[in-house]
Amino acid sequence: SQQGEEDPQALSIQEGENATMNCSYKTSINNLQWYRQNSGRGLVHLILIRSNEREKHSGRLRVTLDTSKKSSSLLITASRAADTASYFCATDDNYGGSQGNLIFGKGTKLSVKP
Amino acid sequence: SQTIHQWPATLVQPVGSPLSLECTVEGTSNPNLYWYRQAAGRGLQLLFYSVGIGQISSEVPQNLSASRPQDRQFILSSKKLLLSDSGFYLCAWSVGGPGANVLTFGAGSRLTVL
Repeated sequence: SQQGEEDPQALSIQEGENATMNCSYKTSINNLQWYRQNSGRGLVHLILIRSNEREKHSGRLRVTLDTSKKSSSLLITASRAADTASYFCATDDNYGGSQGNLIFGKGTKLSVKP
Repeated sequence: SQTIHQWPATLVQPVGSPLSLECTVEGTSNPNLYWYRQAAGRGLQLLFYSVGIGQISSEVPQNLSASRPQDRQFILSSKKLLLSDSGFYLCAWSVGGPGANVLTFGAGSRLTVL
């Protein structure tokens, strides 16, 4: 089964800097999602980008999708200490059927130092 | 609004003992329900999903089982735990039917098998 792979595995930055995380996947998708996980907690959905979209914004988040390269990036601008978390991409290869399970990558662990 | 409850939050069990993790969703009908497992420092592995009462699909063969006795209740069980069953178990739900599966996760259950 296909799987998103995040890069880098870990990222440490100073507060106020931008953080960029990348995700690559293997096969065609309908959409790609990004989730955030605080340590020891459940995942929280951040943003979804469809295969026919190239860029999407939500607050300080910017997601890009390049289907020709089978890759996506998540940019967090003006990072804050509270952004410290693990970030996962997830792909859905559902082509309109009733069940398209999400396949998650291993995540990027972001540490934002005050 | 929809909420998801998962319990217990932490569990320490001896090898060979049984397991029961429970998940309930409120505020929606006929959701898709999922059990994921997250090993330390790794991504999420889909264990089971369900599109309706009594309908369970298994993604990974193992000594775990799942049941959905009611529309908004999903239970993960084992008759005899193995050391390798240790991990962080996450229940999630999504809107049923076709379309993008945006998951809402519970807070997780941390299982330690000794």
